[in-house]
Amino acid sequence: QVLLVESGGGVVQSGTSLRLSCAASGFPFRTYPMHWVRQAPGKGLAWVSAISPDGSNEYYADSVKGRFTISRDNSKNTVYLQMNSLSAEDTAVYYCARQSGALDIWGQGTMVTVSS
Amino acid sequence: EIVLTQSPGTLSLSPGERATLSCRASQTVTSRYLAWYQQRPGQSPRLLIYGASSRATGIPDRFSGSGSGTDFTLTISRLEPEDFAVYYCQQYSSTPRTFGQGTKVEIK
Repeated sequence: QVLLVESGGGVVQSGTSLRLSCAASGFPFRTYPMHWVRQAPGKGLAWVSAISPDGSNEYYADSVKGRFTISRDNSKNTVYLQMNSLSAEDTAVYYCARQSGALDIWGQGTMVTVSS
Repeated sequence: EIVLTQSPGTLSLSPGERATLSCRASQTVTSRYLAWYQQRPGQSPRLLIYGASSRATGIPDRFSGSGSGTDFTLTISRLEPEDFAVYYCQQYSSTPRTFGQGTKVEIK
């Protein structure tokens, strides 16, 4: 069964850091690019970041560039999102997703709440 | 950055009716790299259509996509109760991979 499971969300203070994880199973993880997409409460989907299969290329939305870092460990079938200098605008459910052209597999999401 | 504009914002229809959702891009979406996703309340998004018109695995044939260039359409031929949800388009021809703001299909 193809599965993505996010973890690491929680309630944090503005200006602090958090690292999200997404554990993959049921497919050859090392062959797929992976993405993070977020959704603020009551709002639409917003693309955040992506990483190539071997981790050599990273891509970011302007809103997180310089603050967030995507990485992956293919030996652990896991993709990460390191989030620094968090602000209230980063409050959202964070989804990881597999890229097969479009984003064909999504996790259940993990909630990040940034309090000021 | 390619901006995607979806219309209408909300579509009020009855089960059995036809739904037509629009997604317009600010620039040409090359190679028809346009996808549609469905999101039911409290659930993760689900891929419906990729490549503008190809149905994803397990998606019923009442869902169809069309279009090219800057204008794309998602059609649901006959609405089932489980189809009342929010639908998003996304382009994946360039980075950042932008989403439209969504169209909510609600029960009339």
